[in-house]
Amino acid sequence: ELKVEQNPLFLSMQEGKNYTIYCNYSTTSDRLYWYRQDPGKSLESLFVLLSNGAVKQEGRLMASLDTKARLSTLHITAAVHDLSATYFCAVDFGNEKLTFGTGTRLTIIP
Amino acid sequence: EAGVTQFPSHSVIEKGQTVTLRCDPISGHDNLYWYRRVMGKEIKFLLHFVKESKQDESGMPNNRFLAERTGGTYSTLKVQPAELEDSGVYFCASSQGSRVNSPLHFGNGTRLTVT
Repeated sequence: ELKVEQNPLFLSMQEGKNYTIYCNYSTTSDRLYWYRQDPGKSLESLFVLLSNGAVKQEGRLMASLDTKARLSTLHITAAVHDLSATYFCAVDFGNEKLTFGTGTRLTIIP
Repeated sequence: EAGVTQFPSHSVIEKGQTVTLRCDPISGHDNLYWYRRVMGKEIKFLLHFVKESKQDESGMPNNRFLAERTGGTYSTLKVQPAELEDSGVYFCASSQGSRVNSPLHFGNGTRLTVT
């Protein structure tokens, strides 16, 4: 079965702190996506990770991919309030569709 | 360029009624996808159109759901009759080519509540 597990489901953190969201998937893939969703808005593409060891950074967010461990991480550095959103990872298992994780609702507390 | 547009943004209907959701993809995008997120759970694939043809409808829950894409432009997703478990957010996404090098562009979603 093609599965994507994401944790934690909820994350409340103080401004200025660091934290990591984890995304595990069940079988081989070389294409993983991270999306951000603000309430009532569309899913905004953050990162596309295409190979083992891929690391991408944008501002305070950094994503990495370990295809051997079937694990991706989204690391948040020195969180600020405007990073509050729901974050999804999604995996392309080569079947022309994305399999999503459950999402992580991130709340940054001042 | 205009993004993926979905109508309505919210819909509240009673069990047994019919609802039709609409998606206008980005102009020129041959691939159109429907996904659904039921409260608190993962976003699940429903189906995939290439132009007007259904490429994959393996995610459609049952025969109460009917998707069409006449002429290969906009798409509709009809639920008839609606059940309580159909409540959720329905997302549409489009892309220009196939999976390789063609990012998905998502709409804002339609929040469906069945009471």
